[in-house]
Amino acid sequence: DVKVTQSSRYLVKRTGEKVFLECVQDMDHENMFWYRQDPGLGLRLIYFSYDVKMKEKGDIPEGYSVSREKKERFSLILESASTNQTSMYLCASSLFGAGLRILALHFGNGTRLTVT
Amino acid sequence: AQTVTQSQPEMSVQEAETVTLSCTYDTSESDYYLFWYKQPPSRQMILVIRQEAYKQQNATENRFSVNFQKAAKSFSLKISDSQLGDAAMYFCAYRSYTGTYKYIFGTGTRLKVLA
Repeated sequence: DVKVTQSSRYLVKRTGEKVFLECVQDMDHENMFWYRQDPGLGLRLIYFSYDVKMKEKGDIPEGYSVSREKKERFSLILESASTNQTSMYLCASSLFGAGLRILALHFGNGTRLTVT
Repeated sequence: AQTVTQSQPEMSVQEAETVTLSCTYDTSESDYYLFWYKQPPSRQMILVIRQEAYKQQNATENRFSVNFQKAAKSFSLKISDSQLGDAAMYFCAYRSYTGTYKYIFGTGTRLKVLA
């Protein structure tokens, strides 16, 4: 089974801090994603990476950046945390290619970030 | 642009009964994938069931089945013999067949299972 591990389950940070959320997957997946989950809004894509050092903006990239230096690791960076970034953050991965089984997303357990 | 709508924010079902969660979507594409994901209190999103749009036959996974109506753009999830462990948030998701990497998620339905 694919394992996607997010480094922190809960984080509390202060406004203005630089915050790193780490995600590691162990199945050699090409695609990795960062989503933000808020009640009533579902999951919204922040950034996507399809290869090492490759990234694309999702629907809500403002205030975030990402880093993918190694295939298995995808980091989300909040350059200067703000209270409106308090949320649940979910990392996911998938294989590259076509086909129903390939395209299914595998998720981490989520990081609940509180910015005070 | 594609959209996914889950019109039921919350639903309840008695243990051992059957419940159906609704999902509708809007797209101009003819080929695509549809998914149902479950998020229990542990927060781990788990794939429940998946369907390719070109397949007429409804997907089934044990107690979980879908009613896929392509013309109506509807993809409902039926849970039979509901169990306490089925209590969770359920998300419907859409992905284009080619091109974009983007998955479009609905806003979720919280399912409560009553003992």
